[in-house]
Amino acid sequence: AQKITQTQPGMFVQEKEAVTLDCTYDTSDPSYGLFWYKQPSSGEMIFLIYQGSYDQQNATEGRYSLNFQKARKSANLVISASQLGDSAMYFCAMREPNSNSGYALNFGKGTSLLVTP
Amino acid sequence: EAGVAQSPRYKIIEKRQSVAFWCNPISGHATLYWYQQILGQGPKLLIQFQNNGVVDDSQLPKDRFSAERLKGVDSTLKIQPAKLEDSAVYLCASSPRRGAADTQYFGPGTRLTVL
Repeated sequence: AQKITQTQPGMFVQEKEAVTLDCTYDTSDPSYGLFWYKQPSSGEMIFLIYQGSYDQQNATEGRYSLNFQKARKSANLVISASQLGDSAMYFCAMREPNSNSGYALNFGKGTSLLVTP
Repeated sequence: EAGVAQSPRYKIIEKRQSVAFWCNPISGHATLYWYQQILGQGPKLLIQFQNNGVVDDSQLPKDRFSAERLKGVDSTLKIQPAKLEDSAVYLCASSPRRGAADTQYFGPGTRLTVL
């Protein structure tokens, strides 16, 4: 079963506008971590933001914020004041205990964001 | 602080040949991961090391893939023999530990093309 679902294959946003990238997840474990990564065309995965399952407040990092709705198992990324350099693939990922006592990182299929002038 | 280093950045080989990738994690990071990212998909974990021991290799195709981290620092991933479906980007990542909150930092990846 898919652990992380990103339903938007591609998104467009105009420069300086805000954009929300959707992510839903599936787990029965009470302890987990949610991450967002950015992957530009160069290929490197860049860490953006982290939300722990027990965190009471939504995480924020500069122009990035995570809209965490635990009951709905939703962890949407909000990018405020989009910039041309934000054009990239964005991946949502979840970390939970696996059967080998490690914390495997499960990725969604990603959303391609294009910021237009 | 230096990031995760990987080499080579690109590799083109013919099917049935062998290939090896190298990764140097961030200094002091105990946990090292190898991921495979096929075009159009998210990365998939191949193997996870804690220091020089394997924590999880359940998704590693062990008939052709092998990986080691002998001194608990650098790691190599080998494919022998390569198949066409091995064409992908191979990403190495490291984290200080392996708890739920520990962020994984990725290297630039090695893009493998198998002809």
